[in-house]
Amino acid sequence: GAGVSQSPSNKVTEKGKDVELRCDPISGHTALYWYRQSLGQGLEFLIYFQGNSAPDKSGLPSDRFSAERTGGSVSTLTIQRTQQEDSAVYLCASRKGAGTDTQYFGPGTRLTVL
Amino acid sequence: AQSVAQPEDQVNVAEGNPLTVKCTYSVSGNPYLFWYVQYPNRGLQFLLKYITGDNLVKGSYGFEAEFNKSQTSFHLKKPSALVSDSALYFCAVRDVGATNKLIFGTGTLLAVQP
Repeated sequence: GAGVSQSPSNKVTEKGKDVELRCDPISGHTALYWYRQSLGQGLEFLIYFQGNSAPDKSGLPSDRFSAERTGGSVSTLTIQRTQQEDSAVYLCASRKGAGTDTQYFGPGTRLTVL
Repeated sequence: AQSVAQPEDQVNVAEGNPLTVKCTYSVSGNPYLFWYVQYPNRGLQFLLKYITGDNLVKGSYGFEAEFNKSQTSFHLKKPSALVSDSALYFCAVRDVGATNKLIFGTGTLLAVQP
């Protein structure tokens, strides 16, 4: 079946611009995560959605970062006023149900801020 | 706090030889441990997980991992390495708390020489 998809695969933007990254989770998966992979910080958690509950935003590095999940499915991660340190690969993952279930990752969006 | 450590940045092995990629963990409570693999410009692919039960876990592509509670380790192994196994390998532990987010190690680059 279809896995997690993300778009765009690559995004190059200028410092100060806003960007939107999209994630389509596996159908039927109730939990959705965003992670960031960067050279200096490794893989770090950003935000978590579970069903219709309020998201856990504890990993967002600044208030320039926000995310939403519409209809319990597609999620968009928005970065406002991008900075060079935002350059990284942004990975989305989804999980079916229980906490012990596996998180399945998308291919990621490589963001480059010039 | 939950954490995992991957003590080797890189592991080199000849094709056909057995391989081991090391991971140690520090958790409060029962550990839920995962291995993922990342090929160049790709997302993370799930290999295997330990939740409970048999200490030897078998996963995808012929990989297995041994959970050792006394040594707090969860090393990834394969009896006979292939050149195509060359990739970046991540060990992860599930965090406690409502998000069940994954906490990743720093990754180990596996290089299999023909």
